[in-house]
Amino acid sequence: GAGVSQSPSNKVTEKGKDVELRCDPISGHTALYWYRQSLGQGLEFLIYFQGNSAPDKSGLPSDRFSAERTGGSVSTLTIQRTQQEDSAVYLCASSIAGGRENIQYFGAGTRLSVL
Amino acid sequence: KQEVTQIPAALSVPEGENLVLNCSFTDSAIYNLQWFRQDPGKGLTSLLLIQSSQREQTSGRLNASLDKSSGRSTLYIAASQPGDSATYLCAGHTGRRALTFGSGTRLQVQP
Repeated sequence: GAGVSQSPSNKVTEKGKDVELRCDPISGHTALYWYRQSLGQGLEFLIYFQGNSAPDKSGLPSDRFSAERTGGSVSTLTIQRTQQEDSAVYLCASSIAGGRENIQYFGAGTRLSVL
Repeated sequence: KQEVTQIPAALSVPEGENLVLNCSFTDSAIYNLQWFRQDPGKGLTSLLLIQSSQREQTSGRLNASLDKSSGRSTLYIAASQPGDSATYLCAGHTGRRALTFGSGTRLQVQP
């Protein structure tokens, strides 16, 4: 079956512009995660959605970052007024449920470059 | 706060060698530990998941162990092949649902 799908695969933007990154989780997976992978910082958690519960936003680095998940499926990560330090690979993962025992399956990521 | 460290950062071995990748974590209250593989420009592929109640998991030529008391996990790769070349990441669950990742070990298997 289809895995986690992310789009676009690459995004180049100018400093100060807003960007939207999309994630399609595996069908039937109720938990969805966003991570960021940048040079020198490794892989960092950003935000977590589980069903209809309030999302865990504790990893978002600033109020320029936000995410939503519509209908319990597709998620969009929005970065407003992008800065050069936002350049990174943004990875989305999903798992069948939110329990820690569940394997997280990752998409190929969106490589964001802010000029 | 959980911190995850991986040693070595990079490793180059000839084909056929058995090798061990190390992962250590600071919080022994780790819930489970997951090993991933990442190929250049690609996402993460889950290799093995060890629950906190388990000590090891095996899949083919891969064996991962977890020792919570010492705060360590190892990934053993038997009879390495050039196709095993990739970055290997370990990640643990503690209090929250998201994973805390190590910085990875970049493996190169020479033919």
